[in-house]
Order: sequence, then C-alpha cells, then structure tokens
Amino acid sequence: DGGITQSPKYLFRKEGQNVTLSCEQNLNHDAMYWYRQDPGQGLRLIYYSQIVNDFQKGDIAEGYSVSREKKESFPLTVTSAQKNPTAFYLCASSRLQRDGSDTQYFGPGTRLTVL
Amino acid sequence: RKEVEQDPGPFNVPEGATVAFNCTYSNSASQSFFWYRQDCRKEPKLLMSVYSSGNEDGRFTAQLNRASQYISLLIRDSKLSDSATYLCVVSGAGRRALTFGSGTRLQVQP
Repeated sequence: DGGITQSPKYLFRKEGQNVTLSCEQNLNHDAMYWYRQDPGQGLRLIYYSQIVNDFQKGDIAEGYSVSREKKESFPLTVTSAQKNPTAFYLCASSRLQRDGSDTQYFGPGTRLTVL
Repeated sequence: RKEVEQDPGPFNVPEGATVAFNCTYSNSASQSFFWYRQDCRKEPKLLMSVYSSGNEDGRFTAQLNRASQYISLLIRDSKLSDSATYLCVVSGAGRRALTFGSGTRLQVQP
C-alpha cells in the first residue's frame, strides 16, 4: 500500500520537552515537507527537503529541527525553544517536476498538545 | 497583505446549488496553482490543479487569471459530501513548497 504515514496520531508533551514526529513515505518521492496548521488558519511551512542530506528552512523554522538521512524518512523534532508548539503537524511529499508543477500529497497528520 | 487570500466563509448552500470560491495571490512569479479540499481534522487532499486555460473535472471547474492574479473554483450541483474547507494553494517563485490560503468553508445543507 503506497502512501505517507505519520506517527503518532496524537502526542502530548510537557513544557520543556523535545519530541520527534515521524514521517515516512514509500512513493519514491524526492521532496518532503513539514507544515503546521493552527485552528482556522492555512498551513505554514516549517522545513522542506528536496534531496537526501539536504533541507531548507521554511517560514517558521525557529524551534524546530529536521533530518533527511534516508529518502523515505523526514522526522521533525519540536524543541523546547518552540514557544507555542500546540498545533496540527502535516508532512507532505512530492516528485519534483522540471516545470515546477509538483503535486504534494499529505500524510494524516499528528496533533501535538503541550500540557 | 497575505500571499494567498480567500474569503473564509462559511458558505451555506442547499443541495443542488452552484457555488463559486475566489482566491487572490500576491506573487506574480507563482507558477503552479491548486485547489485542495480539507475535511474537519483531516489532512488536505488534492482536488484539482488549475491551468491557465481553465479546466474541469466533473462538477468542478477551476479558472486562473494570471493578469489579475486570481483563481476561482466553481462547484455545480452541490452534494452533501462537498461540505469541507477548500484551500487555494500556490507554488513556485523560487521555492518548491506550497503557500496556502486560510481556506473557504462550504456547508451544503439538505
């Protein structure tokens, strides 16, 4: 079954703790992305990676870190430096097209709540 | 000014109605355009890409006006199952990641 998986579905964290959200895809997509969604708002880009061992900051990277050691995996760590981490986190992947018309497909998301 | 702006709604329409959503984007160098659908507490799913010549997929029609930096989505013969939030999405302009509007909520009523 091809697709993007994220785990866990729900995550609770105490203030001051780092947590890592998992994202895996078996679509053989080149690029992977992390977005954050707050209630009533659109998605905002945290980090993205177009190739293994390389990644770029998005619009709201502060307090987050990522790694891309394997093509199929792009874990996101929410550090204690992130001031307001409670949100819905969405991972996406895409095959890079020459004309830039990449279509992104999303995993089911992780809801993170800081207690 | 937001990069992608949408009317948040909600749009409350009866079954069978035709409804149109509009979206404007600020970056004239944007290259690719999409409509995604998001159900409550779920991930966004691609509804359709938007091409310069306009395109149709069943009851859904998307239009792009590059000169006005305007995108639209028309839904004909609305179904109860069309109730969702519709996200206008733009990509390009030197970055492969997507820029999302805040979404327009549609509620189709029996």
